[in-house]
Amino acid sequence: DIQMTQSPSSLSAFVGDTVTITCRTSQSIGTYLHWYQLKPGKAPKLLIYGASGFLREVPSRFTGSGSGTEFTLTIGGLQPEDFATYYCQHTYRTPPWTFGQGTTVEIK
Amino acid sequence: EVQLVESGGGLVQPGGSLTLSCEVSGLNVGNNYMNWVRQAPGKGLEWVSVIYRNGDTFHADSVRGRFTISRLSSQNTLYFQLNSLRIEDTAVYFCTAMLSGADHYYAMDVWGQGTTVTVSS
Repeated sequence: DIQMTQSPSSLSAFVGDTVTITCRTSQSIGTYLHWYQLKPGKAPKLLIYGASGFLREVPSRFTGSGSGTEFTLTIGGLQPEDFATYYCQHTYRTPPWTFGQGTTVEIK
Repeated sequence: EVQLVESGGGLVQPGGSLTLSCEVSGLNVGNNYMNWVRQAPGKGLEWVSVIYRNGDTFHADSVRGRFTISRLSSQNTLYFQLNSLRIEDTAVYFCTAMLSGADHYYAMDVWGQGTTVTVSS
Protein backbone atom coordinates (compact mmCIF):
# COMPACT_ATOMS: atom_id res chain seq x y z
CA ASP A 1 0.00 0.00 0.00
CA ILE A 2 1.10 3.58 -0.70
CA GLN A 3 1.79 5.64 2.44
CA MET A 4 0.94 9.34 2.56
CA THR A 5 2.81 11.87 4.67
CA GLN A 6 1.12 15.27 4.88
CA SER A 7 2.67 18.25 6.65
CA PRO A 8 2.26 20.28 8.68
CA SER A 9 -0.58 18.81 10.75
CA SER A 10 -1.71 22.33 11.59
CA LEU A 11 -0.72 25.91 10.97
CA SER A 12 -1.81 29.36 12.05
CA ALA A 13 -1.89 32.24 9.61
CA PHE A 14 -3.32 35.71 9.09
CA VAL A 15 -5.90 36.66 6.49
CA GLY A 16 -3.90 37.57 3.40
CA ASP A 17 -0.99 35.23 4.11
CA THR A 18 0.23 32.65 1.63
CA VAL A 19 0.44 29.11 3.01
CA THR A 20 1.82 25.87 1.61
CA ILE A 21 0.88 22.31 2.53
CA THR A 22 3.02 19.35 1.46
CA CYS A 23 2.10 15.75 0.71
CA ARG A 24 4.70 13.03 0.12
CA THR A 25 4.00 9.50 -1.06
CA SER A 26 5.96 6.32 -0.39
CA GLN A 27 6.22 5.54 -4.09
CA SER A 28 5.80 7.44 -7.35
CA ILE A 29 2.18 8.08 -8.28
CA GLY A 30 2.61 10.32 -11.31
CA THR A 31 -0.04 13.01 -10.83
CA TYR A 32 -2.80 10.85 -9.32
CA LEU A 33 -2.96 13.21 -6.33
CA HIS A 34 -5.90 15.35 -5.26
CA TRP A 35 -6.63 17.98 -2.62
CA TYR A 36 -9.87 18.34 -0.65
CA GLN A 37 -11.20 20.93 1.80
CA LEU A 38 -13.27 19.88 4.80
CA LYS A 39 -15.31 22.15 7.04
CA PRO A 40 -17.29 20.93 10.08
CA GLY A 41 -20.79 19.81 9.20
CA LYS A 42 -20.26 20.23 5.46
CA ALA A 43 -19.54 17.84 2.61
CA PRO A 44 -15.85 17.69 1.67
CA LYS A 45 -15.00 19.66 -1.46
CA LEU A 46 -12.57 18.78 -4.23
CA LEU A 47 -10.12 21.67 -4.73
CA ILE A 48 -7.42 20.34 -7.07
CA TYR A 49 -7.36 17.14 -9.16
CA GLY A 50 -4.45 15.47 -10.85
CA ALA A 51 -1.91 17.40 -8.74
CA SER A 52 -2.51 20.74 -10.49
CA GLY A 53 -5.89 20.60 -12.21
CA PHE A 54 -8.10 23.65 -11.79
CA LEU A 55 -11.81 23.51 -11.21
CA ARG A 56 -14.01 26.35 -12.45
CA GLU A 57 -15.81 26.68 -9.14
CA VAL A 58 -12.67 26.83 -6.98
CA PRO A 59 -11.03 30.24 -6.39
CA SER A 60 -7.79 30.76 -8.30
CA ARG A 61 -5.86 31.40 -5.08
CA PHE A 62 -5.77 27.60 -4.62
CA THR A 63 -2.95 26.07 -6.69
CA GLY A 64 -1.40 22.63 -6.72
CA SER A 65 1.92 21.39 -8.01
CA GLY A 66 4.18 18.36 -8.02
CA SER A 67 4.50 14.91 -9.49
CA GLY A 68 6.06 11.60 -8.54
CA THR A 69 6.31 11.58 -4.77
CA GLU A 70 6.15 15.23 -3.68
CA PHE A 71 3.19 17.56 -3.99
CA THR A 72 2.13 20.95 -2.65
CA LEU A 73 -1.07 22.89 -2.18
CA THR A 74 -0.62 26.66 -1.98
CA ILE A 75 -3.26 29.10 -0.86
CA GLY A 76 -2.22 32.53 -2.07
CA GLY A 77 -3.85 35.21 0.05
CA LEU A 78 -5.88 33.42 2.73
CA GLN A 79 -9.50 34.46 3.03
CA PRO A 80 -11.67 34.00 6.14
CA GLU A 81 -13.60 31.18 4.44
CA ASP A 82 -10.36 29.24 3.83
CA PHE A 83 -9.89 28.31 7.47
CA ALA A 84 -10.60 24.59 7.31
CA THR A 85 -8.86 21.22 7.17
CA TYR A 86 -7.16 20.11 3.96
CA TYR A 87 -6.44 16.55 2.83
CA CYS A 88 -4.42 15.04 0.02
CA GLN A 89 -5.40 11.68 -1.47
CA HIS A 90 -3.95 9.42 -4.13
CA THR A 91 -5.94 7.33 -6.62
CA TYR A 92 -3.00 5.56 -8.24
CA ARG A 93 -3.80 2.15 -9.71
CA THR A 94 -5.81 -0.21 -7.49
CA PRO A 95 -7.08 0.69 -4.03
CA PRO A 96 -6.57 1.38 -1.17
CA TRP A 97 -6.66 5.07 -2.13
CA THR A 98 -5.20 6.57 1.02
CA PHE A 99 -5.73 10.08 2.36
CA GLY A 100 -3.06 12.14 4.06
CA GLN A 101 -3.39 12.88 7.77
CA GLY A 102 -4.87 16.34 7.16
CA THR A 103 -3.72 19.91 7.77
CA THR A 104 -5.85 22.26 9.85
CA VAL A 105 -5.47 25.93 8.87
CA GLU A 106 -6.36 28.21 11.77
CA ILE A 107 -6.68 31.96 12.18
CA LYS A 108 -3.76 33.67 13.91
CA GLU B 1 -27.10 19.17 -10.74
CA VAL B 2 -25.51 16.07 -9.22
CA GLN B 3 -26.66 15.21 -5.70
CA LEU B 4 -25.76 12.40 -3.34
CA VAL B 5 -27.95 11.92 -0.27
CA GLU B 6 -26.92 9.38 2.37
CA SER B 7 -29.25 7.78 4.88
CA GLY B 8 -29.43 4.79 7.19
CA GLY B 9 -27.02 5.82 9.91
CA GLY B 10 -27.84 5.39 13.58
CA LEU B 11 -26.90 3.83 16.89
CA VAL B 12 -26.07 0.13 16.86
CA GLN B 13 -24.51 -2.26 19.37
CA PRO B 14 -21.13 -3.89 18.77
CA GLY B 15 -21.59 -6.92 16.56
CA GLY B 16 -24.69 -5.47 14.98
CA SER B 17 -25.49 -4.59 11.38
CA LEU B 18 -26.63 -1.54 9.46
CA THR B 19 -27.35 -0.73 5.81
CA LEU B 20 -26.43 2.69 4.48
CA SER B 21 -28.01 4.10 1.32
CA CYS B 22 -26.89 6.84 -1.02
CA GLU B 23 -29.60 8.14 -3.31
CA VAL B 24 -28.07 9.58 -6.46
CA SER B 25 -29.48 12.18 -8.83
CA GLY B 26 -27.90 13.83 -11.84
CA LEU B 27 -25.70 10.87 -12.71
CA ASN B 28 -26.10 7.15 -13.34
CA VAL B 29 -24.77 5.11 -10.40
CA GLY B 30 -23.93 2.24 -12.77
CA ASN B 31 -21.79 4.38 -15.06
CA ASN B 32 -19.51 5.90 -12.43
CA TYR B 33 -16.97 4.81 -9.87
CA MET B 34 -18.71 5.22 -6.49
CA ASN B 35 -17.03 5.20 -3.08
CA TRP B 36 -17.63 5.26 0.64
CA VAL B 37 -15.29 7.38 2.75
CA ARG B 38 -15.55 7.80 6.52
CA GLN B 39 -14.35 10.16 9.22
CA ALA B 40 -14.21 8.96 12.81
CA PRO B 41 -14.65 11.55 15.58
CA GLY B 42 -11.54 13.70 15.84
CA LYS B 43 -9.81 11.77 13.06
CA GLY B 44 -9.03 12.28 9.39
CA LEU B 45 -10.69 10.99 6.24
CA GLU B 46 -10.40 7.26 5.54
CA TRP B 47 -11.16 5.70 2.16
CA VAL B 48 -13.26 2.58 2.80
CA SER B 49 -14.70 1.07 -0.37
CA VAL B 50 -15.25 1.51 -4.13
CA ILE B 51 -17.41 -0.09 -6.80
CA TYR B 52 -16.18 0.25 -10.38
CA ARG B 53 -18.34 0.72 -13.46
CA ASN B 54 -17.81 -2.96 -14.32
CA GLY B 55 -18.98 -4.01 -10.86
CA ASP B 56 -15.58 -4.83 -9.36
CA THR B 57 -15.34 -3.87 -5.70
CA PHE B 58 -12.47 -3.09 -3.34
CA HIS B 59 -12.52 -2.58 0.41
CA ALA B 60 -10.01 -1.27 2.94
CA ASP B 61 -8.29 -3.91 5.07
CA SER B 62 -10.05 -2.53 8.16
CA VAL B 63 -13.50 -3.51 6.83
CA ARG B 64 -12.84 -6.32 4.34
CA GLY B 65 -15.08 -9.31 5.08
CA ARG B 66 -17.44 -7.20 7.19
CA PHE B 67 -18.65 -4.42 4.90
CA THR B 68 -20.03 -4.79 1.36
CA ILE B 69 -20.58 -2.08 -1.26
CA SER B 70 -23.27 -2.58 -3.88
CA ARG B 71 -25.57 -0.64 -6.18
CA LEU B 72 -29.05 -0.94 -7.63
CA SER B 73 -29.16 0.81 -10.98
CA SER B 74 -32.96 0.65 -11.22
CA GLN B 75 -33.15 2.76 -8.04
CA ASN B 76 -30.00 4.74 -8.89
CA THR B 77 -28.83 4.02 -5.35
CA LEU B 78 -25.53 2.99 -3.78
CA TYR B 79 -25.60 0.75 -0.71
CA PHE B 80 -23.19 -0.15 2.06
CA GLN B 81 -23.92 -3.22 4.17
CA LEU B 82 -22.11 -2.98 7.51
CA ASN B 83 -21.89 -6.24 9.48
CA SER B 84 -20.04 -7.24 12.66
CA LEU B 85 -19.76 -3.59 13.62
CA ARG B 86 -17.03 -2.52 16.04
CA ILE B 87 -16.73 0.55 18.24
CA GLU B 88 -13.95 1.80 15.97
CA ASP B 89 -16.40 1.86 13.02
CA THR B 90 -18.10 4.87 14.63
CA ALA B 91 -17.84 7.63 12.03
CA VAL B 92 -19.58 9.87 9.55
CA TYR B 93 -19.87 7.90 6.31
CA PHE B 94 -19.73 9.85 3.04
CA CYS B 95 -20.85 8.65 -0.38
CA THR B 96 -18.69 10.00 -3.22
CA ALA B 97 -18.69 9.88 -7.02
CA MET B 98 -15.73 9.98 -9.40
CA LEU B 99 -17.86 11.84 -11.90
CA SER B 100 -15.16 12.83 -14.37
CA GLY B 101 -13.34 9.51 -14.22
CA ALA B 102 -9.97 9.40 -15.95
CA ASP B 103 -10.30 13.04 -17.06
CA HIS B 104 -9.82 14.04 -13.43
CA TYR B 105 -7.43 11.19 -12.57
CA TYR B 106 -10.27 9.55 -10.61
CA ALA B 107 -10.67 12.36 -8.10
CA MET B 108 -13.80 12.34 -5.96
CA ASP B 109 -15.67 15.18 -7.66
CA VAL B 110 -18.94 14.92 -5.75
CA TRP B 111 -19.63 14.19 -2.09
CA GLY B 112 -22.75 13.72 -0.03
CA GLN B 113 -23.31 15.35 3.35
CA GLY B 114 -22.72 12.11 5.21
CA THR B 115 -24.63 9.88 7.60
CA THR B 116 -23.49 9.15 11.14
CA VAL B 117 -22.95 5.62 12.44
CA THR B 118 -22.43 5.18 16.17
CA VAL B 119 -21.41 1.79 17.51
CA SER B 120 -21.87 1.62 21.26
CA SER B 121 -23.28 -0.64 23.94
